[in-house]
Amino acid sequence: AQSVTQLDSQVPVFEEAPVELRCNYSSSVSVYLFWYVQYPNQGLQLLLKYLSGSTLVKGINGFEAEFNKSQTSFHLRKPSVHISDTAEYFCAVTDTNAGKSTFGDGTTLTVKP
Amino acid sequence: DAGVIQSPRHEVTEMGQEVTLRCKPISGHNSLFWYRQTMMRGLELLIYFNNNVPIDDSGMPEDRFSAKMPNASFSTLKIQPSEPRDSAVYFCASSLEGPFSPLHFGNGTRLTVT
Repeated sequence: AQSVTQLDSQVPVFEEAPVELRCNYSSSVSVYLFWYVQYPNQGLQLLLKYLSGSTLVKGINGFEAEFNKSQTSFHLRKPSVHISDTAEYFCAVTDTNAGKSTFGDGTTLTVKP
Repeated sequence: DAGVIQSPRHEVTEMGQEVTLRCKPISGHNSLFWYRQTMMRGLELLIYFNNNVPIDDSGMPEDRFSAKMPNASFSTLKIQPSEPRDSAVYFCASSLEGPFSPLHFGNGTRLTVT
């Protein structure tokens, strides 16, 4: 069994401030890791993914995430956020054996002017 | 690319009625997923097809739910009879190579069962 925990359900920040959205996972097998963003009334869109290789992954819209195997974490970061980054962010893991995907409960990022 | 197309965007129906949700995946993607999103339970995988064959339907809540994929460009999720607790946003997603590839989501169907 695997699980994903997004440690913060809501993160309010001011525009141009840095932000970190935290994600921890547990799995008995190796996993692929993903971050998705969901804007109101839309489906989820891929921000970035970690399959293998460098543990620092860069995605769209200036986001990046770092895979930490020892801490089983995959935190999402952006050095300077914009109002348009206001959305819900989902961390997801897929086990490399059975291909079972699990999503976290989401983190609502609210960027204030 | 038009992306994953779902219809209808909104569906309001009365308890006991049959509901059919439709999905057209991205051309060339060989995997299709149906998810349900609610405030209480978050995103739940209902069923996953690979090359039009159901691979994992363990998330289908009960026999009232059924899904088909008659060809590579169309899938349906049917609820019969519908119940108020089925109210949710239903997403269809497709991917190039199963769950190991990133998922491309449609904009969802918001279902309200009264």
